[in-house]
Amino acid sequence: NAGVTQTPKFRILKIGQSMTLQCTQDMNHNYMYWYRQDPGMGLKLIYYSVGAGITDKGEVPNGYNVSRSTTEDFPLRLELAAPSQTSVYFCAEGAVSNQPQHFGDGTRLSIL
Amino acid sequence: AQSVTQLGSHVSVSEGALVLLRCNYSSSVPPYLFWYVQYPNQGLQLLLKYTSAATLVKGINGFEAEFKKSETSFHLTKPSAHMSDAAEYFCAVSGLQGGSEKLVFGKGMKLTVNP
Repeated sequence: NAGVTQTPKFRILKIGQSMTLQCTQDMNHNYMYWYRQDPGMGLKLIYYSVGAGITDKGEVPNGYNVSRSTTEDFPLRLELAAPSQTSVYFCAEGAVSNQPQHFGDGTRLSIL
Repeated sequence: AQSVTQLGSHVSVSEGALVLLRCNYSSSVPPYLFWYVQYPNQGLQLLLKYTSAATLVKGINGFEAEFKKSETSFHLTKPSAHMSDAAEYFCAVSGLQGGSEKLVFGKGMKLTVNP
């Protein structure tokens, strides 16, 4: 998955803990996205950004926050982890309508 | 708003058999359509994309898809399945929503290839 790096790859959290999922892209594209993937549900958009300093909610933003201080970085923050946030999280980048989005390898998060 | 439908969640074929994964879309504007593949414990990789240049799109690993506007479909096919094709496949449509570019994914189809 060229250009998009996610860390960590795996994490186990306790209920109520907080953490930040990191995402970095080196393709200098404006659009970045965070998705969550749950079995049989496809990918759901959490938040997206159209450029540094600009973020907006996607389909399932509750319980998450994001920031975009630079073009390269788009971290996703969980403030009070809940079991419903157990999922696989993917970061992606993209440019315009006819350009495919490139995905990171994902962060597998379990909240117990 | 754009959407895609992938009916069913699982398909099983024998090695060497035809692979057919169905995708129907809904869009009020000419869509950009994608197929992605996800191998176990990996991220999504682009298989192919339709951007209105040609209705029959060829992708990687021998896959192709045909855009049929009259049927609002973009089915994925491969003439002869290989064991390495076992994965989950996602259809997606891209377009302007709320003033910015977004991908909307189908729920995915898990492909099993039997020896």
